[in-house]
Amino acid sequence: AAGVIQSPRHLIKEKRETATLKCYPIPRHDTVYWYQQGPGQDPQFLISFYEKMQSDKGSIPDRFSAQQFSDYHSELNMSSLELGDSALYFCASSPGLSYNEQFFGPGTRLTVL
Amino acid sequence: GENVEQHPSTLSVQEGDSAVIKCTYSDSASNYFPWYKQELGKRPQLIIDIRSNVGEKKDQRIAVTLNKTAKHFSLHITETQPEDSAVYFCAASKENYGQNFVFGPGTRLSVLP
Repeated sequence: AAGVIQSPRHLIKEKRETATLKCYPIPRHDTVYWYQQGPGQDPQFLISFYEKMQSDKGSIPDRFSAQQFSDYHSELNMSSLELGDSALYFCASSPGLSYNEQFFGPGTRLTVL
Repeated sequence: GENVEQHPSTLSVQEGDSAVIKCTYSDSASNYFPWYKQELGKRPQLIIDIRSNVGEKKDQRIAVTLNKTAKHFSLHITETQPEDSAVYFCAASKENYGQNFVFGPGTRLSVLP
């Protein structure tokens, strides 16, 4: 079965650079969530989209923005990167109908030097 | 907002023994409670979930119980195997389009051969 696809899988950036992370949800899933997971931490919710509209917002810094496109893929844009942004970034998708199971992608490991 | 606590933070059991992980939540409106297993550097994988209209759910060696009145739910793993070793996260959510998960801090389970 098709799973959530994230790209790139690994990304190394310098401080103050920008990064774009991409997420392709499972086919026919219209809801996308972004989470940030630091070492030894639980995943922290950043932002979610349902039918291309932002549906919920968590602890996402103002330096980050995201959107969901007409094909339901989503991109997380991160600017003015800081050392503390180094983390695993997971995207999850959900059918978004009457239940809320979220299926996680493999994650993007971002390292800021 | 929702707050999820999880205990214990680490748990070591002998192979074949049972393991129990407990979570409490604060928002009485939460009605969906998934459990995720995460191996080092990998994505969280859904292992079992329960909705608030059900008190218990079982899937082979894994079971989850929910006490809505006390606002706590538990994961039970029987006949543990070394491959059960991982970090386990509980989460709470209100079922709605784009409602994010609030994760517990995680339990590192080690199954000793």
